[in-house]
Amino acid sequence: QQQVKQSPQSLIVQKGGISIINCAYENTAFDYFPWYQQFPGKGPALLIAIRPDVSEKKEGRFTISFNKSAKQFSLHIMDSQPGDSATYFCAASISDYKLSFGAGTTVTVRA
Amino acid sequence: SQTIHQWPATLVQPVGSPLSLECTVEGTSNPNLYWYRQAAGRGLQLLFYSVGIGQISSEVPQNLSASRPQDRQFILSSKKLLLSDSGFYLCAWVLGQGSYEQYFGPGTRLTVT
Repeated sequence: QQQVKQSPQSLIVQKGGISIINCAYENTAFDYFPWYQQFPGKGPALLIAIRPDVSEKKEGRFTISFNKSAKQFSLHIMDSQPGDSATYFCAASISDYKLSFGAGTTVTVRA
Repeated sequence: SQTIHQWPATLVQPVGSPLSLECTVEGTSNPNLYWYRQAAGRGLQLLFYSVGIGQISSEVPQNLSASRPQDRQFILSSKKLLLSDSGFYLCAWVLGQGSYEQYFGPGTRLTVT
């Protein structure tokens, strides 16, 4: 049973546009929500993460929005660049540090 | 700084052959260690995790096993590979002790023929 559901499966955005990826979770015990970026043939790299006591976190062009009551969180990539073309995974964890991953979203930024 | 290594980077093995993948972490002590598998175009599936030497927890029943002979070494093994074992194997570590950030290694691409 997948504990974190991610959508869309893929998206295409023009350079300079906004990419939005959504995730929903079931387990209310989750208390850590990271996003990972993965390029083909490479391991995932931690991009940004949020705790449930914060509704939004921004790092450069990447922003996480968190809605605890709806059990949803999303990643916004502002001013998308061709170098942002990658697969993005959301995840969730509880105090045992095990991550439950979403299925991933492949983002393609067209120049 | 912490570094995580995996080898080999790629591996092609026939069905029924044994497997040994190695992961080592540098620059930290007593990390939590994890093995994930990623099928082509799919998400990450947690296979095993370890909170210390000799302590292994299995998440998915299968023909794979894991061992942690040293604090910063994590090994994934199989006695007889199946076609379904093909995939991208990733090792990860977490410092623990209140830090949740999980860092991944470069991965091993395994093709079972």
